[in-house]
Amino acid sequence: DAGVIQSPRHEVTEMGQEVTLRCKPISGHNSLFWYRQTMMRGLELLIYFNNNVPIDDSGMPEDRFSAKMPNASFSTLKIQPSEPRDSAVYFCASRQGTSATYEQYFGPGTRLTVT
Amino acid sequence: DAKTTQPNSMESNEEEPVHLPCNHSTISGTDYIHWYRQLPSQGPEYVIHGLTSNVNNRMASLAIAEDRKSSTLILHRATLRDAAVYYCILRDTSGAGSYQLTFGKGTKLSVIP
Repeated sequence: DAGVIQSPRHEVTEMGQEVTLRCKPISGHNSLFWYRQTMMRGLELLIYFNNNVPIDDSGMPEDRFSAKMPNASFSTLKIQPSEPRDSAVYFCASRQGTSATYEQYFGPGTRLTVT
Repeated sequence: DAKTTQPNSMESNEEEPVHLPCNHSTISGTDYIHWYRQLPSQGPEYVIHGLTSNVNNRMASLAIAEDRKSSTLILHRATLRDAAVYYCILRDTSGAGSYQLTFGKGTKLSVIP
């Protein structure tokens, strides 16, 4: 299995531009997570999907952030408009099943820089 | 999630065992103990988890204190590839938030050749 796939791996954009991050979870996994990692705040959960439905989006910073999962094999995280403080590494993770004992598999991350 | 406490950093010599401690004095009976690690410039990866009994897998061993208020991740022979940040996380299996992984600051392990 190729693991969780994220694209792009690096994104540099100017403040005010729209940014779309993409994630392909592991086939057969029905839970998907988006995380953000910064030096100041560490790893934070942004949103959690189960069976393509958003279950918990309480970690989404503000209305500028939105996430979708149109099908079981694809998810997007969009920032519009982007701001310098959104600069971070964004990770997507997937998991098989809903039991808390199942491990999460993380993608390689997208490093976002907003200038 | 209940809180965990880990040392900020540790060092180990290559090919020697490493014991990474984690304190979780407020752990509840339904909390699983999970360990993840994050290698430089990579996403976190699962290492091991347990509830009450000690656990072994191909990556590591997990020793859980009898009162479950602390645990230790054991790497039997550290390699340079084991240099990473190691996170100890409690997962509550009983509540609606059981899907969550709440990452703390972890322990940064350095391996000396």
